[in-house]
Amino acid sequence: SQQGEEDPQALSIQEGENATMNCSYKTSINNLQWYRQNSGRGLVHLILIRSNEREKHSGRLRVTLDTSKKSSSLLITASRAADTASYFCATAPPGGSNYKLTFGKGTLLTVNP
Amino acid sequence: EADIYQTPRYLVIGTGKKITLECSQTMGHDKMYWYQQDPGMELHLIHYSYGVNSTEKGDLSSESTVSRIRTEHFPLTLESARPSHTSQYLCASSVAGYNEQFFGPGTRLTVL
Repeated sequence: SQQGEEDPQALSIQEGENATMNCSYKTSINNLQWYRQNSGRGLVHLILIRSNEREKHSGRLRVTLDTSKKSSSLLITASRAADTASYFCATAPPGGSNYKLTFGKGTLLTVNP
Repeated sequence: EADIYQTPRYLVIGTGKKITLECSQTMGHDKMYWYQQDPGMELHLIHYSYGVNSTEKGDLSSESTVSRIRTEHFPLTLESARPSHTSQYLCASSVAGYNEQFFGPGTRLTVL
């Protein structure tokens, strides 16, 4: 079964507004990561938050992690048209370095100019 | 920019053809992955490798095969392409399984 599930599936906002996407997962994690994918391209890593961290910032991005609720959120502040993309969360299980990420289904964000 | 490359970027071929999708990375990563992704949909892991001469099938059954003879090279082969193989194929690499993955630009395959 899918480990990560993003919510909402699609989000449309105006430039300058904030965008919030959520990710829920089912089992214990080592870390949770967020990726961006522009249409027809590969994924680009945005931010990684470890299981013992609660919040992390990178530029206009803010990620929170609540391990008790098995959920994470990605906030993009002051959005721009260039932020239009699909956003995926990915979870890394605890254990050795040979374990692999499990990606969610993604949230399609459209930022209208 | 990640140092991971995929060729070709686009490929249109007829049914029954044998094809190889190339993936190379210059970061010295041991872990490499192949994902299949339909437009606007989730990623499905089809193959991964922990190092040279190590390959495993992923979560999604695939008729493709892979090889890992050199650290930097992880090609994917379809012996006989079918229309059901039409999709985007993404290659990625990482230092360790729980670290961030670096993705190539993808190969969009269309089988007629």
